[in-house]
Amino acid sequence: QQQVKQSPQSLIVQKGGISIINCAYENTAFDYFPWYQQFPGKGPALLIAIRPDVSEKKEGRFTISFNKSAKQFSLHIMDSQPGDSATYFCAARGSNTGKLIFGQGTTLQVKP
Amino acid sequence: DTGVSQDPRHKITKRGQNVTFRCDPISEHNRLYWYRQTLGQGPEFLTYFQNEAQLEKSRLLSDRFSAERPKGSFSTLEIQRTEQGDSAMYLCASSPTGVGNTIYFGEGSWLTVV
Repeated sequence: QQQVKQSPQSLIVQKGGISIINCAYENTAFDYFPWYQQFPGKGPALLIAIRPDVSEKKEGRFTISFNKSAKQFSLHIMDSQPGDSATYFCAARGSNTGKLIFGQGTTLQVKP
Repeated sequence: DTGVSQDPRHKITKRGQNVTFRCDPISEHNRLYWYRQTLGQGPEFLTYFQNEAQLEKSRLLSDRFSAERPKGSFSTLEIQRTEQGDSAMYLCASSPTGVGNTIYFGEGSWLTVV
């Protein structure tokens, strides 16, 4: 019944490299697609989010690319830094309830 | 700090005991959500409130779980007769009503049932 699928499960990137995490969703009744960053022992913190009427959104080193027809969206982290090492979750928000459905998460390790 | 506040942050309890978690949402956020997260997994939706009305409950929320938001402000999540499988982080989140409004999470309440 998983409606949001995320890959890869884990990712290792060299400092300065590009980290790419992908998500796909199965339900069209979503109106908002956020990405959350989570450090061990902490709650998820909103990183960046996009609405389905936009194909790309950039905030600093973080970019979301959104493909509505393919029902896919991805997070690109440019110039990855060791401080970016964390678990990243994509999510999709139901348009009626506002509740978030999360992907399974990607553990990112950025090597110095 | 005006973020989502959760209390206690950590709770260790013996199996069979009752526990209660409290969440104070961001002021004026009329939607409040409870999620559960186990190690290595994404948060799973449990229930949500719009003001004081509980509008949806997940099948994950067995009859041992009850949530309230009596005055449309803070909320409590009670687990009765805890089981080892209840061990998880319980996350509270809040948002204003409306399309595309950001959902903000608290730092979570860790529950360990021994």
